[in-house]
Amino acid sequence: EAGVAQSPRYKIIEKRQSVAFWCNPISGHATLYWYQQILGQGPKLLIQFQNNGVVDDSQLPKDRFSAERLKGVDSTLKIQPAKLEDSAVYLCASSLFWGGEQYFGPGTRLTVT
Amino acid sequence: QQQVKQSPQSLIVQKGGISIINCAYENTAFDYFPWYQQFPGKGPALLIAIRPDVSEKKEGRFTISFNKSAKQFSLHIMDSQPGDSATYFCAASQTNTGNQFYFGTGTSLTVIP
Repeated sequence: EAGVAQSPRYKIIEKRQSVAFWCNPISGHATLYWYQQILGQGPKLLIQFQNNGVVDDSQLPKDRFSAERLKGVDSTLKIQPAKLEDSAVYLCASSLFWGGEQYFGPGTRLTVT
Repeated sequence: QQQVKQSPQSLIVQKGGISIINCAYENTAFDYFPWYQQFPGKGPALLIAIRPDVSEKKEGRFTISFNKSAKQFSLHIMDSQPGDSATYFCAASQTNTGNQFYFGTGTSLTVIP
């Protein structure tokens, strides 16, 4: 069974630029999560989708971050404009059903200079 | 507010020894407590998980001990091996409200040969 795929793996941008990350969850997984992991900290949930609907985006900085999950499969997370404090690893995870075990992708390491 | 507190921040253990990592939580509604293992450059991988209806769960060399009254749980790694060197995260969630994971801050484990 293929795992959660993410791209790109690394991205370096200047502040005020925009960036987008892509996630392909495990086939058949209905729930998809985006996490932000700052160096030395545990992952923090940004947004959660159930199929193609947003379940929880309470911790998403909506003035600069946006996310969508088209057709209930792939998802993209966008930051526009980026700030220095957005430097982190962005992790995507998926679970088969609501409340199920979460499986993480390798993450995208973002550096904002 | 840190929902899950994890200690120690780092741990050095001799090969063959026992590694113990502790976590404490506040929200009594949490009903799922997973432990994740993360190697550098990789996403977190589920190691073992427990629900509050049992006090202990063992899988191979890994054991979770759970104390519901104290709101604490811990990971024990028996016969620690150099390959166990990684960062370990505890987490907690309330599965009937969307399973948002609250992660601890992580423990960097180094097993010395």
